[in-house]
Amino acid sequence: AQKVTQAQTEISVVEKEDVTLDCVYETRDTTYYLFWYKQPPSGELVFLIRRNSFDEQNEISGRYSWNFQKSTSSFNFTITASQVVDSAVYFCALSGITQGGSEKLVFGKGTKLTVNP
Amino acid sequence: EADIYQTPRYLVIGTGKKITLECSQTMGHDKMYWYQQDPGMELHLIHYSYGVNSTEKGDLSSESTVSRIRTEHFPLTLESARPSHTSQYLCASSGPGHLNEQFFGPGTRLTVL
Repeated sequence: AQKVTQAQTEISVVEKEDVTLDCVYETRDTTYYLFWYKQPPSGELVFLIRRNSFDEQNEISGRYSWNFQKSTSSFNFTITASQVVDSAVYFCALSGITQGGSEKLVFGKGTKLTVNP
Repeated sequence: EADIYQTPRYLVIGTGKKITLECSQTMGHDKMYWYQQDPGMELHLIHYSYGVNSTEKGDLSSESTVSRIRTEHFPLTLESARPSHTSQYLCASSGPGHLNEQFFGPGTRLTVL
């Protein structure tokens, strides 16, 4: 069965600090996808990135970067020079299959990031 | 940007009432999902649909029911609401292909008194 662990429940930083959110996953599938979502206080989940299991290249998008390492089953997310608007709950997710054989996302429990001015 | 809508955004009702949470998307996605998010933030899949007239229960048992009569519409119904149903309900959809990202609506925060 698939599992996603986000060990950091809450993180608090001061603006302009760099912060890394950890994500460790478990799966027996050889082909799978990993995702990060952001949930601001308004409540909706915003898709940030999707990465397939065959692509271990790190990705950078502005102040965001992702480090995917299959050897350690980790898909960590770094925000550089954090801003107050980055305050949100961040979820890591893994593609999986339901008991009925259909697709689903398996979510971690989320990391609440607070960026203080 | 994804076009997926949920109404109402907030709902406070008394025990025993029947309610329907609406979800619609304008992207023509076949796959749609309902998640329940508890106060501890964790998301649980409660229903999903792979197309019209297709609905399945998710991993978390739920007393709610869903229907999928039209591609764009995936409402969730509680026949008799109870305080234990108090939660945030999030609807999502995803496009064709395998294991694509899901796009989420803004959610409905339900409080049952």
